Amino acid sequence: GAVVSQHPSRVICKSGTSVKIECRSLDFQATTMFWYRQFPKQSLMLMATSNEGSKATYEQGVEKDKFLINHASLTLSTLTVTSAHPEDSSFYICSASNRQGTYEQYFGPGTRLTVT
Amino acid sequence: AQTVTQSQPEMSVQEAETVTLSCTYDTSESNYYLFWYKQPPSRQMILVIRQEAYKQQNATENRFSVNFQKAAKSFSLKISDSQLGDTAMYFCAFLTNAGGTSYGKLTFGQGTILTVHP
Repeated sequence: GAVVSQHPSRVICKSGTSVKIECRSLDFQATTMFWYRQFPKQSLMLMATSNEGSKATYEQGVEKDKFLINHASLTLSTLTVTSAHPEDSSFYICSASNRQGTYEQYFGPGTRLTVT
Repeated sequence: AQTVTQSQPEMSVQEAETVTLSCTYDTSESNYYLFWYKQPPSRQMILVIRQEAYKQQNATENRFSVNFQKAAKSFSLKISDSQLGDTAMYFCAFLTNAGGTSYGKLTFGQGTILTVHP
């Protein structure tokens, strides 16, 4: 089956610093990747959609200058949280889709970000 | 825009019993997909079952089955012979097959926390 990895699984950073989260599709080419944010016991909130080689499309209310998304290859997308603040602490999940005839999204295991 | 509603924040069931999780959605589209995802304590999202809107037959995957009522815009999940490993948060999700800005995006419900008791 299709496997998506995320790195790191957990990260703690100090307020004001930036942190990068990687999302990789290990055995398929991901033409589209999605980034979600999830608070405890809540649903997944879509932050942005990224297509390989083009700029990400951000959902309403998501600051594109704060959450930088790069989808430089068909197997890698990165989310950089810039100038992190404690309120950015959350669980970040990526998913990947191969649009060649399938509608399914394959989810990564998530990254827990804690900003101190 | 599509909306997905799960009206049961928490449910519990005894091991080996059957439980049904509710989901309703709102859309003006006729061609779409519906999913149930499971998120166990590990927080890894796992696809449980999918349903194509154009198919009248309800999807079934082993102990998991759905009751898809297109006219009522209802998509419930039935778990038979519940097991301790079924304890998780369950999300109903909608995916449009139409074009536009929502293409390919999953819309999730609020989730239902299911606890299976021994």
